[in-house]
Amino acid sequence: DSGVTQTPKHLITATGQRVTLRCSPRSGDLSVYWYQQSLDQGLQFLIQYYNGEERAKGNILERFSAQQFPDLHSELNLSSLELGDSALYFCASKSHGTDTQYFGPGTRLTVL
Amino acid sequence: DAKTTQPTSMDCAEGRAANLPCNHSTISGNEYVYWYRQIHSQGPQYIIHGLKNNETNEMASLIITEDRKSSTLILPHATLRDTAVYYCIVRGADSSYKLIFGSGTRLLVRP
Repeated sequence: DSGVTQTPKHLITATGQRVTLRCSPRSGDLSVYWYQQSLDQGLQFLIQYYNGEERAKGNILERFSAQQFPDLHSELNLSSLELGDSALYFCASKSHGTDTQYFGPGTRLTVL
Repeated sequence: DAKTTQPTSMDCAEGRAANLPCNHSTISGNEYVYWYRQIHSQGPQYIIHGLKNNETNEMASLIITEDRKSSTLILPHATLRDTAVYYCIVRGADSSYKLIFGSGTRLLVRP
């Protein structure tokens, strides 16, 4: 158990819909990272937040957005969903001054 | 960040050492080598990282060549639970610490 929690575990929705994925980092970790893992693209970095501020952006679509709240939990919002958005979404957290990212169990999103 | 090249798949017998190679010939002086693994569809798990010296922890050893163009992850006594995809990642010293994953090596540990 990494200490990072993600909800829900599974999500099935339809094209065009909007969903919110939630991540609670390890206690005290200020950084949260979001990654997407699809069959054809592998594991891809989406976005990072540090203590509520966006710190780095990767291959994140404009239909996707994220935020980190004062209690440090983070949400990834996916809108206008397409079939190709079906993937595993992982969140990871890291404490300040260390190198290691701890990954959550992921949310499996299926868009029908 | 430097690109890495890993074999697509490898196998080893249970109880034997598993040696997973990684080529990172374009690595620059301030870039670290990280290893993570992913068991089935679980979240990736940190294994070890290093800059230029060899490193060892309770999970594995990391051997980095003197020119830093390649490295080897060693699992000294592989078990069936070590069957996973192993990712070698070269990360620059930027402040984000984001990880850029490649395709990894699928390691199968045989009974």
